[in-house]
Amino acid sequence: KQEVTQIPAALSVPEGENLVLNCSFTDSAIYNLQWFRQDPGKGLTSLLLIQSSQREQTSGRLNASLDKSSGRSTLYIAASQPGDSATYLCAGTSGTYKYIFGTGTRLKVLA
Amino acid sequence: GAVVSQHPSWVICKSGTSVKIECRSLDFQATTMFWYRQFPKQSLMLMATSNEGSKATYEQGVEKDKFLINHASLTLSTLTVTSAHPEDSSFYICSARWTGGASSGANVLTFGAGSRLTVL
Repeated sequence: KQEVTQIPAALSVPEGENLVLNCSFTDSAIYNLQWFRQDPGKGLTSLLLIQSSQREQTSGRLNASLDKSSGRSTLYIAASQPGDSATYLCAGTSGTYKYIFGTGTRLKVLA
Repeated sequence: GAVVSQHPSWVICKSGTSVKIECRSLDFQATTMFWYRQFPKQSLMLMATSNEGSKATYEQGVEKDKFLINHASLTLSTLTVTSAHPEDSSFYICSARWTGGASSGANVLTFGAGSRLTVL
């Protein structure tokens, strides 16, 4: 059974810092991987999608990579801002489009 | 494109009543939709896969008779929580699989904004 762990569980940093959020899968056979952002009491916003043929995706200050050999993904946030404060979730699928979600990282960026 | 709308966004009901939550794909057709449940400060747990024109596939431990799913059209799936009890209070989120071409974002799951259910 696929399990997804995100480290750290919570993170508090001053504004401007570069951050790395980690996600690891017990089964490294990942087909697609998505990183999401969730604000308190809200739904999910898709940030980045890494499809089966890809290893990395970038959008603005965000960069996500996937190492399929180890089943690990990282989300890099450059020059963090208070508006980045949210919970970040990674989710992966092994090909059935049934995404399994990670435990989440609660990020707080201090002004 | 690829917008999913969920309704209602929040609902409060008395114990024993049934509550229906709708999930609509607004600008694309979705043969497959997924229903997730999220308890406070926890991650999303997949409840079931909703398939247009056929029965839903439920995850282990999810009661089929408790959580009725109907995917009657290519743009609408509904989740009905029957005889709701306080322990059913949760945040329910649906997602739809976008089956567009590779250049348009195939294999992307688009999520609704969620529906918060509180059972008194």
